[in-house]
This record gives sequence, C-alpha cells and structure tokens, in this order.
Amino acid sequence: AQSVTQLDSQVPVFEEAPVELRCNYSSSVSVYLFWYVQYPNQGLQLLLKYLSGSTLVKGINGFEAEFNKSQTSFHLRKPSVHISDTAEYFCAVTSISGNTGKLIFGQGTTLQVKP
Amino acid sequence: DTEVTQTPKHLVMGMTNKKSLKCEQHMGHRAMYWYKQKAKKPPELMFVYSYEKLSINESVPSRFSPECPNSSLLNLHLHALQPEDSALYLCASSPREYQETQYFGPGTRLLVL
Repeated sequence: AQSVTQLDSQVPVFEEAPVELRCNYSSSVSVYLFWYVQYPNQGLQLLLKYLSGSTLVKGINGFEAEFNKSQTSFHLRKPSVHISDTAEYFCAVTSISGNTGKLIFGQGTTLQVKP
Repeated sequence: DTEVTQTPKHLVMGMTNKKSLKCEQHMGHRAMYWYKQKAKKPPELMFVYSYEKLSINESVPSRFSPECPNSSLLNLHLHALQPEDSALYLCASSPREYQETQYFGPGTRLLVL
C-alpha cells in the first residue's frame, strides 16, 4: 500500500519569491509520482510527473520537482511565484508494479501568493 | 490534446430527482474514472472503467450508478441523493488502467437540496 504526506497544509508567500511545496511518500514498491494543481472552481491539471530517468523533472508554468528515492520525497519548487499561482496543489503516487489504477493523493497544500 | 470534458458544469437537484453527469474524452484512452471531491480535500475514487467494463467500485452507494456506453463516454446516473452527496464530481481518463497518467476534466459542481 502507498501513502502520501504533504507536509504543509498552507504556504503563504509573497509574489516573486521562491517556493517549495513538500511531498513525502511511503511505498513498499516502486512508484510513479505526480503533482497536480487545482485552481479555484476548476478540475485538476497535471503540473508534472516522474516516471523514470532524470530525477529533476520540469513541468508547466515554471515548476519543477526533484525525486529523491532515499528520502522518499518529491518536492515541488518554483524560483519566482506569481499571483496566478494561487491554487491547491496535490502530490500523488501510483504503483509501477501494481495491478490497480488507483492514484493515491496527499491532503493538498494551499499556495497563497500575496502581492 | 489532453482534454476531458464534463457536462453540466453545475447541477442542483432535489433528493427525489434523477439526473446524470456526462464525461467525454477523444484521446483514445481506454480507462475512465469517477472521483468525488469535497471542499479542501483530495479527490476520492468512486469507480474505474477499463475497456468499457467496470473494474473498480469503491463501495459506492447504489444511488450512484455508472455507465460506460463506449470507449469515449462515461456517465454517472444519480438517484435519491442525500445533501451530503453535494460535492465536485471529477472525471478522469488514462491510456490504460495501470501505471498511467490520469487526465482530469473540469468537474461538475453538484448541490443536493
């Protein structure tokens, strides 16, 4: 079984400052990792994903994440945030070798960008 | 194109009504999903369809009835819902059921009075 922990429920940050949203996971098998963003009153949009290869993954809107297998982490970063980045961010995992299509989500982190 | 569409965007229904939610994708994906999302919470999986067959039912009450008429379309039929069923209902699709990226639609905001 897998679980995902997003270490911060809310992250307030000023515009143009850097930000890191933290995600740790637990799994007895290898996993694929995802970050989704949900803007107010919208569905989930895929920001980026790690399937294999380079541990530094670049996504849309200037976000990137680094997979750290030893730390079982997949933290999301952006060097300079905009007001429009205000949203809910979900980290998620799915088993590489499992026989289920289940996507396991963290509880979400609310990013509040202030002017 | 990674678009999943959902209709309607908003739905208000009484507890005795019957209504349906619709989800469509034209990416050739063979797995489709229904999720329920309450405010400030992550999505909760309800159903998974794989190659138009029900693969997973997460012990969802029978007042929710999914249907997959073809590989592009997924419906969720609603009957005799309760106010606590008010939520955002999200549809997603992926190329296949296992080990694949899921793409989500914009959701249907449901209010049960």
